[in-house]
Amino acid sequence: AQSVTQPDIHITVSEGASLELRCNYSYGATPYLFWYVQSPGQGLQLLLKYFSGDTLVQGIKGFEAEFKRSQSSFNLRKPSVHWSDAAEYFCAVDRYESGTYKYIFGTGTRLKVLA
Amino acid sequence: DAGVTQSPTHLIKTRGQQVTLRCSPISGHKSVSWYQQVLGQGPQFIFQYYEKEERGRGNFPDRFSARQFPNYSSELNVNALLLGDSALYLCASSSGLYSNQPQHFGDGTRLSIL
Repeated sequence: AQSVTQPDIHITVSEGASLELRCNYSYGATPYLFWYVQSPGQGLQLLLKYFSGDTLVQGIKGFEAEFKRSQSSFNLRKPSVHWSDAAEYFCAVDRYESGTYKYIFGTGTRLKVLA
Repeated sequence: DAGVTQSPTHLIKTRGQQVTLRCSPISGHKSVSWYQQVLGQGPQFIFQYYEKEERGRGNFPDRFSARQFPNYSSELNVNALLLGDSALYLCASSSGLYSNQPQHFGDGTRLSIL
């Protein structure tokens, strides 16, 4: 079955340090991949998406992600983390089933930023 | 432009009751999807509606139902509430059915079952 795995439940980094959040997917075809961010008590905001083409995609708020087919990974990165980046991050794959597209989400990675 | 709006923001119900959650999509978006997010987990797909027709259903019991109106707004209904239905219910809209049209999420309705 198609799935999305985010191996790190919690990550703590210092402000100004670099960040990498891991995402692995299990999917038969080339998937459409997404990263969303969720601040406490709020909905999900789209950070970036990968459909095809250049495997390094740029998103909002200084985030980028790299699609690696050989590793079935779509890791999210940021060169310098800001305190406002503290939130929960979700990786998702778009799965086509029975005539509809639906997102399969990972379990999320909660990011804590130390001042 | 307004984003996806959901109402109410919070709701407290008791077991066995029924609840209706509402969602207004981004203007021009014809597809609405509903997700359930239990604390500590990622969102789980419940339904997708497009042009007032159900186009997809996740692995949820028949106590869950939904509909979409001519103005593309949507309601999610849950009957015979159980403690396990306590969750954040998210609505997402997109311009169409295809995966190159990302979904935009509202802030959700937090449902607590006592």
